[in-house]
Amino acid sequence: GAGVSQSPSNKVTEKGKDVELRCDPISGHTALYWYRQSLGQGLEFLIYFQGNSAPDKSGLPSDRFSAERTGGSVSTLTIQRTQQEDSAVYLCASSPEKEDGYTFGSGTRLTVV
Amino acid sequence: GESVGLHLPTLSVQEGDNSIINCAYSNSASDYFIWYKQESGKGPQFIIDIRSNMDKRQGQRVTVLLNKTVKHLSLQIAATQPGDSAVYFCAENGGSNYKLTFGKGTLLTVNP
Repeated sequence: GAGVSQSPSNKVTEKGKDVELRCDPISGHTALYWYRQSLGQGLEFLIYFQGNSAPDKSGLPSDRFSAERTGGSVSTLTIQRTQQEDSAVYLCASSPEKEDGYTFGSGTRLTVV
Repeated sequence: GESVGLHLPTLSVQEGDNSIINCAYSNSASDYFIWYKQESGKGPQFIIDIRSNMDKRQGQRVTVLLNKTVKHLSLQIAATQPGDSAVYFCAENGGSNYKLTFGKGTLLTVNP
């Protein structure tokens, strides 16, 4: 596609429920990243994909967080048993190969109530 | 100014003035730096980047300056416009070829 697409744009969920966030990267971009942005904060690295493999998942905050990427394209970030502190904007970015410059999507705003 | 890890500073300027947003970084291994602009409800948008073999790089109305000696990065916006109002983030690569570390941003408000 023309840009990085994320869905849903907004998600309100009850504490304890599971959520899935989707990212469609720019076509042909082999690198994909997930970041989290809490209110008034900078971006916190979560995980990096090169193709379908995740050589760096060091930023995932707990084992409730997982992510996968299939077909070298779409990625899904799953948060199990959501907690209120998971409320944030989850941003996905992609880049060609390992180029440093990312293109970000508009994010998914997750609110856990 | 901003430092990777500090609270969000703000900068208020008049339309037409020049703006300077500062950023201090701490990782001496960083050799690639990027400035992003984030408008409300949107993802960060690439503005300009610079590699450590350069001190200055210019774009359209924007200039990035890098001082490796004191680990300082700045973004200069010429003739600031209301559409420039946003949060500006600096990011460094820490020597990595994929992971960026972001500062917490500077809120720029342009008054008409």
